[in-house]
Amino acid sequence: EAGVVQSPRYKIIEKKQPVAFWCNPISGHNTLYWYRQNLGQGPELLIRYENEEAVDDSQLPKDRFSAERLKGVDSTLKIQPAELGDSAVYLCASSHPLAPLHFGNGTRLTVT
Amino acid sequence: AQKVTQAQTEISVVEKEDVTLDCVYETRDTTYYLFWYKQPPSGELVFLIRRNSFDEQNEISGRYSWNFQKSTSSFNFTITASQVVDSAVYFCALSEAGQAGTALIFGKGTTLSVSS
Repeated sequence: EAGVVQSPRYKIIEKKQPVAFWCNPISGHNTLYWYRQNLGQGPELLIRYENEEAVDDSQLPKDRFSAERLKGVDSTLKIQPAELGDSAVYLCASSHPLAPLHFGNGTRLTVT
Repeated sequence: AQKVTQAQTEISVVEKEDVTLDCVYETRDTTYYLFWYKQPPSGELVFLIRRNSFDEQNEISGRYSWNFQKSTSSFNFTITASQVVDSAVYFCALSEAGQAGTALIFGKGTTLSVSS
């Protein structure tokens, strides 16, 4: 089966600019996650979707971050405006219920 | 609160050596899952194993083995006869609420370097 696909692979922007990341999960996976991984750290959850519904967004900085998952398939994560501290790898993952998460390759964001 | 601790930040070994990666977890749940993931330089997190809290049986898969001990809240990972291709960052993770598909709480990872 095709894996989780993320784009872009790399993104360099100046602070205060907007940026968006896209994720296409594995076909049939109802649950989709966005994680952020800072350098030298483990991934940390930003938001979890069950189909179209965001069921856990408690760790999403809502003043500048937003996400959507239209039609319960693809998802986008947006940051507006970006700050220097947002530099990280943004990982998307998907899963069946009660199954392990499958991760994409991530988007490496550098904010200058 | 749930927490995963990987005390070893970096480990360096020579090929064919055995190496054990430590993982200690904290949770108040009686039902939970533990995981190991591998992150090679390409960046993708690769699933290695899942264990539920009711199954303390150790597992061996090829050169990989896992030792789960609830008494010490540990879930250690051993690579036997390490190879250069094993070089990666390894993450231990915990899922809460007894649902393996819910959000994972990761440790900070252990970077394993295997030299030839």
